[in-house]
Amino acid sequence: EDQVTQSPEALRLQEGESSSLNCSYTVSGLRGLFWYRQDPGKGPEFLFTLYSAGEEKEKERLKATLTKKESFLHITAPKPEDSATYLCAVHFTGTASKLTFGTGTRLQVTL
Amino acid sequence: DAGVIQSPRHEVTEMGQEVTLRCKPISGHDYLFWYRQTMMRGLELLIYFNNNVPIDDSGMPEDRFSAKMPNASFSTLKIQPSEPRDSAVYFCASSFGTPTEKLFFGSGTQLSVL
Repeated sequence: EDQVTQSPEALRLQEGESSSLNCSYTVSGLRGLFWYRQDPGKGPEFLFTLYSAGEEKEKERLKATLTKKESFLHITAPKPEDSATYLCAVHFTGTASKLTFGTGTRLQVTL
Repeated sequence: DAGVIQSPRHEVTEMGQEVTLRCKPISGHDYLFWYRQTMMRGLELLIYFNNNVPIDDSGMPEDRFSAKMPNASFSTLKIQPSEPRDSAVYFCASSFGTPTEKLFFGSGTQLSVL
């Protein structure tokens, strides 16, 4: 069964302390990998799409990268407003057209 | 645009009762999804529609769950009878042109079945 695993489950950073979140997936064939941000009490909000190994996308303090078996979401000099749960979703080949979500990484950025 | 609108935001009901969740997708979007989110299992796709037609309902837990989309601007997810294990946050999402790219989610319905 295709699986998506995110680590760590929770991460606490001080403002300005850069770090990375990991999303790994079973290597059965990837058609696309997606990052979402979810704030408490709200639905996920789309951040990035990655299609092939070596691809990178950036938005403000966030940069997403993709290898053949995992993706990283790098957070550079985070601010408290970056606190949220970050979800990774994968569109596997052979799974018709649907996404498999990881359980997320809860990020807290403190002053 | 108002985004995806779900109602109610919170629903508390007793076991055995019927529950109906409602969703209005973003105008012009041709895909609509129903997801369920729990701490243990994360986000799980229940069913999705394309142009109001159900395409994949393999995620619907059992016959107690049903979903309809009578027109392009409205969908319902019904649970009858409800059970405590159905307690979760239910999200509706919509997208344009593809079922996997850039989904727009509503704020969800927090369902508690006592």
